[in-house]
Amino acid sequence: DIVMTQSPDSLAVSLGERATINCKSSQSVLYSFNYLAWYQQKPGQPPKLLIYWASTRESGVPDRFSGSGSETDFTLTISSLQAEDVAIYYCQQYYSSPLTFGGGTKVEIK
Amino acid sequence: QVQLVQSGAEVKKPGASVKVSCKASGYTFTSFPMHWVRRAPGQRLQWMGWSNNGNTKYSQEFQGRVSITRDTSASTAYMELSSLRSEDMAVYYCARGAASNGYVMDVWGQGTTVTVSS
Repeated sequence: DIVMTQSPDSLAVSLGERATINCKSSQSVLYSFNYLAWYQQKPGQPPKLLIYWASTRESGVPDRFSGSGSETDFTLTISSLQAEDVAIYYCQQYYSSPLTFGGGTKVEIK
Repeated sequence: QVQLVQSGAEVKKPGASVKVSCKASGYTFTSFPMHWVRRAPGQRLQWMGWSNNGNTKYSQEFQGRVSITRDTSASTAYMELSSLRSEDMAVYYCARGAASNGYVMDVWGQGTTVTVSS
């Protein structure tokens, strides 16, 4: 199984500042495209798809969210943190079965 | 709008089975795969398996205990987990596979809480 490791476990960022979340896979998830997605989960809600193919934003997702990286190292960046961005963020690889998720990064307001 | 509505919370005894339903609306049910994912307290999201075009695939971790089925006439997917133990206490989600790639999950149900207690 591909193990997904996120860092940090949590971070506190001031409103309007940048938040950066890292995700590392135990093996490359690149095959023409990077098979990597990001989800946001707010308390009491199901996860919401933010980004797929490592950097393609899902329709309706604000452009302050961006994804980057390749092969085994990926980053989700929130360029200007808003109050509604408080959530847990997960990466997921879909390169091979079983699909696996990172442990999550909790983003809070400083 | 595209929506997945799951059945209500369940309380089960150890060793019992639970069956969770997921009713889809707003899209052609048969054209998209359906995944099942769970999140136990303090744990990461865990993929259980999926159903796609009449085929199913399960995570090895649940092989032999999980069954994912579909009733296309009712646009409803089902996940049944047997031999429940305390570690199966979790919120269970159905999630639609995206058109861009069926292994990305673009629409999620609201979740069903399963409690296992004697």
